[in-house]
Amino acid sequence: SAVISQKPSRDICQRGTSLTIQCQVDSQVTMMFWYRQQPGQSLTLIATANQGSEATYESGFVIDKFPISRPNLTFSTLTVSNMSPEDSSIYLCSVVGQYEAFFGQGTRLTVV
Amino acid sequence: QKEVEQNSGPLSVPEGAIASLNCTYSDRGSQSFFWYRQYSGKSPELIMFIYSNGDKEDGRFTAQLNKASQYVSLLIRDSQPSDSATYLCATALGNQFYFGTGTSLTVIP
Repeated sequence: SAVISQKPSRDICQRGTSLTIQCQVDSQVTMMFWYRQQPGQSLTLIATANQGSEATYESGFVIDKFPISRPNLTFSTLTVSNMSPEDSSIYLCSVVGQYEAFFGQGTRLTVV
Repeated sequence: QKEVEQNSGPLSVPEGAIASLNCTYSDRGSQSFFWYRQYSGKSPELIMFIYSNGDKEDGRFTAQLNKASQYVSLLIRDSQPSDSATYLCATALGNQFYFGTGTSLTVIP
C-alpha cells in the first residue's frame, strides 16, 4: 500500500493568482498522477508526472496552466496558475500500486 | 481517454435491500476492473478489484465481470445507510486508471 500526504486540504483563492498543491508519498514511485474532480463529476486525469522528465498532459490541459514538478521519486507538486472560478474543483494526486490506485486526501479549491 | 460508462443514478434503496451498480467499458484490452467508493468530500477508496470473468465476493460486496459483454457490476447485499456514497467504476491499462462518472447511492433507513 501507499500513503499519500496532500496539502493544502482546501483553499479559497482570488482569481488571477496561483496555488501550488503538494503530494508526498511514503514510498518511491515511478509515476504520480494528478486528477481534477469538478462538482458532481468523476475524476479527470490532468497529467502524469515522471521523475526526471516533463509531465505528460492529457487533452485539454496545458503546462502553462498546470505546471508540475517531480523533483524525486516521493514528491510532486501541481500548480494551478492564473486561476478563474472555473478552476474551482477538487484536485487529487494518485499513485498506482500492484492492485489499486491510491489517492491523497484531495485539495478543495474555491476561486472567488 | 478510454471510455467507462456508468448509470449515474441517483440510486435509492431501502436499508437491507440489494443495491446493483453497473458499468460498461469500451476497450477490449482492459484487463483489470475496480470499484471505488467515495464519500462526499473524501478521496476514493478501493472496495474491490476483479480480473477474471465471473463473480468475486467479499463480505456484502460482489463484483461481476463479463468480458464478452464488456460489463462490470457491483452488488451490495444488506445495504446499510453507511453505504450511501458515490461508487466509481474504473479500468486500468498499464499504470493508468480510467474512471466512470460515478453512481450516487442513497440507502434509506
